[in-house]
Amino acid sequence: DAGITQSPRHKVTETGTPVTLRCHQTENHRYMYWYRQDPGHGLRLIHYSYGVKDTDKGEVSDGYSVSRSKTEDFLLTLESATSSQTSVYFCAINSGRQETQYFGPGTRLLVL
Amino acid sequence: AQSVTQPDIHITVSEGASLELRCNYSYGATPYLFWYVQSPGQGLQLLLKYFSGDTLVQGIKGFEAEFKRSQSSFNLRKPSVHWSDAAEYFCAVAENTGFQKLVFGTGTRLLVSP
Repeated sequence: DAGITQSPRHKVTETGTPVTLRCHQTENHRYMYWYRQDPGHGLRLIHYSYGVKDTDKGEVSDGYSVSRSKTEDFLLTLESATSSQTSVYFCAINSGRQETQYFGPGTRLLVL
Repeated sequence: AQSVTQPDIHITVSEGASLELRCNYSYGATPYLFWYVQSPGQGLQLLLKYFSGDTLVQGIKGFEAEFKRSQSSFNLRKPSVHWSDAAEYFCAVAENTGFQKLVFGTGTRLLVSP
């Protein structure tokens, strides 16, 4: 347990609605990441952050935005949810390039 | 761009038998290499990692992996599998510069038979 929580853990929403997922850490790690996991694709990086207000895009960033106003919170927003965004979303944290990346418990999102 | 291939989607091993899970990567330089395990409905747990140095890396739960530069491989091994090892295993790679942005393989699901 690396002090990472994700909320909500499960969510069902409708196409076209905005959705925000929260990742919270208690250990002051500098780097935070959002991944999505889909069958046959493994995990793919959506966005990452290297400090407060410092974020950048990952491999599959279209349709997603992020914000990090405090060290401990990294928010992922689906601006207008689509069925293709049905997935399991994992947050991860680490403190440096050669430090272990720890994963949160995941959020299961279903977009109807 | 980096990529990771795990050629085996499913593997079944008898309890007590040895295990080898294959991982091949594509990257121009020596990457950072990782193996993670995921139990059903759970998050990912790091088994082991390679950054540099000794190419045989020891991890948790009795796992080890060997980096072979000539084969662009980082295969995971365990000499004797336990029923509790049944899970999905992911190989991942990251550039050895900049941020630790992981690129994952598609995973190998391990089934353990009695």
